[in-house]
Amino acid sequence: EAQVTQNPRYLITVTGKKLTVTCSQNMNHEYMSWYRQDPGLGLRQIYYSMNVEVTDKGDVPEGYKVSRKEKRNFPLILESPSPNQTSLYFCASSLLATDTQYFGPGTRLTVL
Amino acid sequence: SQQGEEDPQALSIQEGENATMNCSYKTSINNLQWYRQNSGRGLVHLILIRSNEREKHSGRLRVTLDTSKKSSSLLITASRAADTASYFCATPRSGGYQKVTFGTGTKLQVIP
Repeated sequence: EAQVTQNPRYLITVTGKKLTVTCSQNMNHEYMSWYRQDPGLGLRQIYYSMNVEVTDKGDVPEGYKVSRKEKRNFPLILESPSPNQTSLYFCASSLLATDTQYFGPGTRLTVL
Repeated sequence: SQQGEEDPQALSIQEGENATMNCSYKTSINNLQWYRQNSGRGLVHLILIRSNEREKHSGRLRVTLDTSKKSSSLLITASRAADTASYFCATPRSGGYQKVTFGTGTKLQVIP
């Protein structure tokens, strides 16, 4: 089954404690992306990747890091989380940036 | 500021009525995509309309695109309670950019 998986689905952490949210797709897609969703603001793109070892900033990259060492995986790293990063995070993938995106189920992150 | 803005922000209709929601964007686009989200879950792609198309249909969905006005509309005909969800437009940027911008969404409630 074609899918995008994210882990964990729910996470409560404290300020400053490094965390990683994993994302994996099994569709051999080149383009992968991370979004955060906040009430009233819709989805905002954090980082995206056009292919292995090629990543770039989206509209709200501050406080986040990503890596793309393998085509299927695109982890999101918060090295020192802060309460303003409390949000619902989605990973998505598509063949190319202009194509239909497939979304993961989301990760609800709370930073205390 | 958001590339994509949907209006209305919220819409409540009776089952069987038509629902129309609009999306405006600011820059040149390759295509425009509509997605649906059920209550905090992952987004699901509904329909994609290319920049050289003016109208597209898929089942009960009708999408129009007016590139001169930088706007699109999504019409859901004969709505059902199961159509209750949030709807977002997404615009992959043209001109070699790889960013994808989502709007703030329209929350649709269909009352049985």
